[in-house]
Amino acid sequence: EPEVTQTPSHQVTQMGQEVILRCVPISNHLYFYWYRQILGQKVEFLVSFYNNEISEKSEIFDDQFSVERPDGSNFTLKIRSTKLEDSAMYFCASSGNTEAFFGQGTRLTVV
Amino acid sequence: KQEVTQIPAALSVPEGENLVLNCSFTDSAIYNLQWFRQDPGKGLTSLLLIQSSQREQTSGRLNASLDKSSGRSTLYIAASQPGDSATYLCAVKRKVGGGADGLTFGKGTHLIIQP
Repeated sequence: EPEVTQTPSHQVTQMGQEVILRCVPISNHLYFYWYRQILGQKVEFLVSFYNNEISEKSEIFDDQFSVERPDGSNFTLKIRSTKLEDSAMYFCASSGNTEAFFGQGTRLTVV
Repeated sequence: KQEVTQIPAALSVPEGENLVLNCSFTDSAIYNLQWFRQDPGKGLTSLLLIQSSQREQTSGRLNASLDKSSGRSTLYIAASQPGDSATYLCAVKRKVGGGADGLTFGKGTHLIIQP
């Protein structure tokens, strides 16, 4: 069964460093998303990506964040200069026109 | 701004019981509603998707209903099993952007099924 794959599963980084989180969406899906979940809180939408450009972004997705689809299969989230409050589980998701499927997440810890 | 609320926040029941989880949302102009399961430290597993034009969806022991006009959805779990223990999340997608819009999530119901 097709699934969304995320790497790495865990990442520890120093404050101020850049991190890149990677995702391989389901191959025939059109829409790609990033979400985050701070420990004990709701899953929050960050950004959606369609037709090689950002479709929508939340107020959380500021200039520190960027997304890219560098080739036909990968979808990445870059955080330029990490802050302590960026520590969270980051989920990638993809969908056709309806149901969204999520990856297992990358746990990012900023120290 | 869409807000999604889930009640109860936590529920513990003996194995075999039927149970209902509730979800409410403030803006009825939704594209669809999706129920997910999340195990501790894991990703989100899609359980059921209800399109805005539908009233309910069923998958095995799960049944989800949608009353868009009142801003409510319920997830019914029949004959609960210890393996059903997890956090159940409700999420809605707004109507305007359709497929491109993100989901708005509730905080979830943490369910424990006692053997």
